[in-house]
Order: sequence, then C-alpha cells, then structure tokens
Amino acid sequence: DTAVSQTPKYLVTQMGNDKSIKCEQNLGHDTMYWYKQDSKKFLKIMFSYNNKELIINETVPNRFSPKSPDKAHLNLHINSLELGDSAVYFCASSQNRGDYGYTFGSGTRLTVV
Amino acid sequence: AQSVTQPDIHITVSEGASLELRCNYSYGATPYLFWYVQSPGQGLQLLLKYFSGDTLVQGIKGFEAEFKRSQSSFNLRKPSVHWSDAAEYFCAVGNTNAGKSTFGDGTTLTVKP
Repeated sequence: DTAVSQTPKYLVTQMGNDKSIKCEQNLGHDTMYWYKQDSKKFLKIMFSYNNKELIINETVPNRFSPKSPDKAHLNLHINSLELGDSAVYFCASSQNRGDYGYTFGSGTRLTVV
Repeated sequence: AQSVTQPDIHITVSEGASLELRCNYSYGATPYLFWYVQSPGQGLQLLLKYFSGDTLVQGIKGFEAEFKRSQSSFNLRKPSVHWSDAAEYFCAVGNTNAGKSTFGDGTTLTVKP
C-alpha cells in the first residue's frame, strides 16, 4: 500500500496544453508539498498545504495552481504548458508543518514537446 | 536564509570501502537536518534526521551522520558500501517555522565492483 502515490508517472504533452497531476497520501499527515526537480536534479519547493490551507507559495508562474480538496490529496494543475516546464514533479507529505522529514511520492516525469 | 552545500558532485568508491558524503549548511538557529537517497527513477527516501540531542544519528541501510555545529556540517557515513547504495544523495535543512526544507544540489554515488 503506497504511502504517497502520484498519477500519472509519465506525462508527455504538447506546448500550450493544460494538464493535472494528482497526489494522495494515506499516512494521516497534515502537510503536503509539491517539489520540482529539474534536469540537473536540483529540487525546489513550489507549494505546501497544511490541512487544506496554502502555507507556502514560492515564486512559481501563475500557470501553476495547486488544489487540496482534503488533507490527504494535493493536486497540481498546469495551464498553457511550456517547454521549460519539463521536469520531474514530486509530491511529498510530512506529519505536520513543522517539517520533521518528508515522505516522497515516486514522481511524475512531465515532458513538454 | 537557509542553504545547503554539498561540495562533491560525484563520488566513486569501491564496493566494501567506507563512504563519507559532505554537507555544509547555513541556518540562523539550531537546524533540522536530513539526508535523503534517490535511486534512479524513484522518489527520495529519508535516510536519517537530526533535530537535537546526540550529534551522531543512526539511519536506515547502515548509514549514520554526525552533526558538527562548529563546522556547520552534517556528513553522511557508511563503513562498508554495497553496490545497491549507488544513487543520488541529498542533504537538506529544515525550517520548522516556514515548514519547508531546502535541499542541496546532490551527490551522485557510483560504486565500483
């Protein structure tokens, strides 16, 4: 039973399209995150939600919009995809917003062509 | 602002040899420190974490790390490396107020037979 699951695992799409990535955690954690890993493997936080409340919103284009329907789910919607959006997107969760270590999903590799 | 430096981009060790991966951090208060491992095509897995107390922390898979405040370091060690340890290793510093971790750029570990 996967602790943090993301779908899809791979996503290939054309520029200008809109796509969504879904994430679910069954750990009972309060806080969830989206991280972006670029081709050089640099990890950068994008968003964080604590109990459905947005608590971290880093400098990310407005085309990216997170949504958390409940504390076990965090989705990422991307409008008007650009080539530079190609990356691996990781969902993660932690027990609470105090950040005591993350449990990561296996990632979604997004390729924009 | 918190930051993490991993001075070694790539390290190669022979199977059975000892390993030390370096991590230096910058943080205004007592840091929360983490090491994660990422196998190819996988998400990150938490190896160990330091919050307070004993400066030598034990983790999973036979890894340990030592917190040295005077050197702002949190180096990861393993006495005998196995071929399955080949992966990308990330050091991270956590900010419990902001509720987010900042990751280093990673060190790629190659294990020679």
